[in-house]
Amino acid sequence: KAGVTQTPRYLIKTRGQQVTLSCSPISGHRSVSWYQQTPGQGLQFLFEYFSETQRNKGNFPGRFSGRQFSNSRSEMNVSTLELGDSALYLCASSLEHEKLFFGSGTQLSVL
Amino acid sequence: TQLLEQSPQFLSIQEGENLTVYCNSSSVFSSLQWYRQEPGEGPVLLVTVVTGGEVKKLKRLTFQFGDARKDSSLHITAAQPGDTGLYLCAGALGGAQKLVFGQGTRLTINP
Repeated sequence: KAGVTQTPRYLIKTRGQQVTLSCSPISGHRSVSWYQQTPGQGLQFLFEYFSETQRNKGNFPGRFSGRQFSNSRSEMNVSTLELGDSALYLCASSLEHEKLFFGSGTQLSVL
Repeated sequence: TQLLEQSPQFLSIQEGENLTVYCNSSSVFSSLQWYRQEPGEGPVLLVTVVTGGEVKKLKRLTFQFGDARKDSSLHITAAQPGDTGLYLCAGALGGAQKLVFGQGTRLTINP
């Protein structure tokens, strides 16, 4: 069974640009969550989607948005990139209550 | 302010030694999870503890959930170089997939 797939693996952008990251969950998983990981703040919850609806949201500005498609694949978008947005963005999918399976992440560098 | 405090942040010991990592909070969690993360990969779930006072064992790893469900510990017996990695504790707060993570303990086991 394939794991959680995140693309692209690495991304370099400049300030002010926007970026879209993609996540394909494990087959059958309907919940997709997104986390940001930085050396200073650690892992922080961005949002969670279930059956195409945002079910939970973290404390991030509106520049961070996401969506989920009918096949459970999810995308997150960051607009007007700032230097502080440089981070590893992790996607996790789940089937059972509270058991998350993480992808390998997208490493975003903002120059 | 970090909701979950992990200690120590860094630990470097010799193969064969024992160690304990602590995860403390002033908040009560419905469950607490421990993950291990290798460089370039996403976190992998090791265990979930749900009941206050619960103890779970995974080979040489012993996990304990505090009686008040506010703290947890991870004890490794006879550490091996393969145990090297970033260990993260995470508490479920306000939603099954909305996890609050500790800053992590970077563990290095020297041969």
